[in-house]
Amino acid sequence: AQSVTQLDSQVPVFEEAPVELRCNYSSSVSVYLFWYVQYPNQGLQLLLKYLSGSTLVKGINGFEAEFNKSQTSFHLRKPSVHISDTAEYFCAVRAGQAGTALIFGKGTTLSVSS
Amino acid sequence: SAVISQKPSRDICQRGTSLTIQCQVDSQVTMMFWYRQQPGQSLTLIATANQGSEATYESGFVIDKFPISRPNLTFSTLTVSNMSPEDSSIYLCSVLAGGLNTQYFGPGTRLTVL
Repeated sequence: AQSVTQLDSQVPVFEEAPVELRCNYSSSVSVYLFWYVQYPNQGLQLLLKYLSGSTLVKGINGFEAEFNKSQTSFHLRKPSVHISDTAEYFCAVRAGQAGTALIFGKGTTLSVSS
Repeated sequence: SAVISQKPSRDICQRGTSLTIQCQVDSQVTMMFWYRQQPGQSLTLIATANQGSEATYESGFVIDKFPISRPNLTFSTLTVSNMSPEDSSIYLCSVLAGGLNTQYFGPGTRLTVL
């Protein structure tokens, strides 16, 4: 069975600083990987996804993530964060064939202050 | 992509009663999922609902407590039966689109049980 571990439950950063949110997965088969963002009192929004091809994936709002198969990681990065990036970020995995539901990590709260 | 709406957006219910949550999608989709997000927690898959077949429930969730209907390819309902305060959560409808590789989420139904 697959699983997702988000290594940091909370990440506080100052505005304009770089940030990395860590995500590791376990699966015995090929995977599809996703990052979602949930702003306060809002629904889930897809940030970016890795399905195949280039291991560096660019998403919305200046975020990017790199798929590292040998380290089974899919860390999310942004070179310079804004106050508006304050939100909950979820890493998710779908293993094997398409058509199965996503499995989510526990989430990382990113808090950006001035 | 897919646009998903849910009704009601929120509700406050009394212990022992039941609530039916509706999920409407703007396009026909084969696979639909129901998730629960308890306060401050990640998303947990309740069940997979495919049109024309019985819903498939995850470990810890049973049909008597969470009956699901899927009458057509654009609509589903989830009922939370005989509610207790522990059922207070956000319930989210989700669908697979984009070639069965990308999962989209509804805005959620915020349920409070007193």
